[in-house]
Amino acid sequence: DIQMTQSPSSLSASVGDRVTITCRASQGISNSLAWYQQKPGKAPKLLLYAASRLHSGVPSRFSGSGSGTDYTLTISSLQPEDFATYYCQQYYSTPHTFGQGTKLEIK
Amino acid sequence: QVQLVESGGGVVQPGRSLRLSCAASGFTFTSYGIHWVRQAPGKGLYWVAFMSYDGNNKYYADSVKGRFTISRDNSKNTLSLQMNSLRAEDTAVYYCAKDHLPGNSRPSFFDYWGQGTLVTVSS
Repeated sequence: DIQMTQSPSSLSASVGDRVTITCRASQGISNSLAWYQQKPGKAPKLLLYAASRLHSGVPSRFSGSGSGTDYTLTISSLQPEDFATYYCQQYYSTPHTFGQGTKLEIK
Repeated sequence: QVQLVESGGGVVQPGRSLRLSCAASGFTFTSYGIHWVRQAPGKGLYWVAFMSYDGNNKYYADSVKGRFTISRDNSKNTLSLQMNSLRAEDTAVYYCAKDHLPGNSRPSFFDYWGQGTLVTVSS
């Protein structure tokens, strides 16, 4: 199985900050990477796929990059509604695996 | 709009069975594969199973293989997950999620999720 490691596990930031979350795969996944946002008690929502493609309706302050084994999610200017937990997921091979999550909290 | 509504969760004793359902609307159900993904209380996301748009291809996580069976009824726009020999570690919120790519026989990523149904395995 491909292991996905996210860092950091938690992050404190302020409204307006630029934040970056990293996801590392245990082997190359050819940009087959998605990012999700989850708020407490709610289902996850798709943000990006194919490492850098924005899902419909997702604000442009979210962006993704990377290749091979290393990928990043960047939020250019944090908004109050962005405080949530973020997960990466590889879909290069089954079983599809997720990172452990990054909890983004208000500083 | 895309809607996925899970049902069938509840409290069940270890070793017993439970059947979850997912009712889909707002998209062409027969064109998309559907997944089950679970989340144990306070934990992260874990992919469980996938069935292709036509029902011909199924994929399972190793931890549920042989115990869980995914199926779909394209005439009713529903997906099911039959869970047998349940264990305490199966306790989780179970989400059904729509695959992004139409006509895909292999699983990819999830573009829409249901609200989830809680399964608690406890004596």
